[in-house]
Amino acid sequence: DADVTQTPRNRITKTGKRIMLECSQTKGHDRMYWYRQDPGLGLQLIYYSFDVKDINKGEISDGYSVSRQAQAKFSLSLESAIPNQTALYFCATSDLTRGRGDTQYFGPGTRLTVL
Amino acid sequence: SQQGEEDPQALSIQEGENATMNCSYKTSINNLQWYRQNSGRGLVHLILIRSNEREKHSGRLRVTLDTSKKSSSLLITASRAADTASYFCATASILSQGAQKLVFGQGTRLTINP
Repeated sequence: DADVTQTPRNRITKTGKRIMLECSQTKGHDRMYWYRQDPGLGLQLIYYSFDVKDINKGEISDGYSVSRQAQAKFSLSLESAIPNQTALYFCATSDLTRGRGDTQYFGPGTRLTVL
Repeated sequence: SQQGEEDPQALSIQEGENATMNCSYKTSINNLQWYRQNSGRGLVHLILIRSNEREKHSGRLRVTLDTSKKSSSLLITASRAADTASYFCATASILSQGAQKLVFGQGTRLTINP
């Protein structure tokens, strides 16, 4: 069973719709991250969370919001989707408290298409 | 902005040969990591090298880090068809409260021909 899961895996939506991408982890990690990947490019950080009460903006947070409902769950929302938000979205976790937080563990990704 | 720049962007070699990928970065780092991504899938951590380390090995992987040149290389020895993937370097800088921020390069697409 995967330690970091993302739902949905694929989503096609229309401009202006509200979309929520969900991430769950069973690793017990404190830190969670949302990235987007555009074709042929690396990953860009959208938001990150150190714990349930802590949310921080990344490089490209405009147009996105997040919610850390529990230690194991971190959701990404697009309040009003636009076509240039078409991308592959990845959730990741890390655990600094155990002294091995330098490594991030990624979910399988959500492919989002905004028409 | 992306700090890591990888070279080459694409590499195609024969099975059994060694593959070398390079990564350059611009600012000071805490550590540098290499990840692998199979097409359309999530990234998988391969190896981490800290800023005070110069070389690290893991199986068929060898990573070097030259902080004076702000560069790193990933060597895959005795390549296999299953090594075909995109490889990303990610530089880690420390944020407030001790968390790290990973900045990914654009990746090298490696193709191993049987």
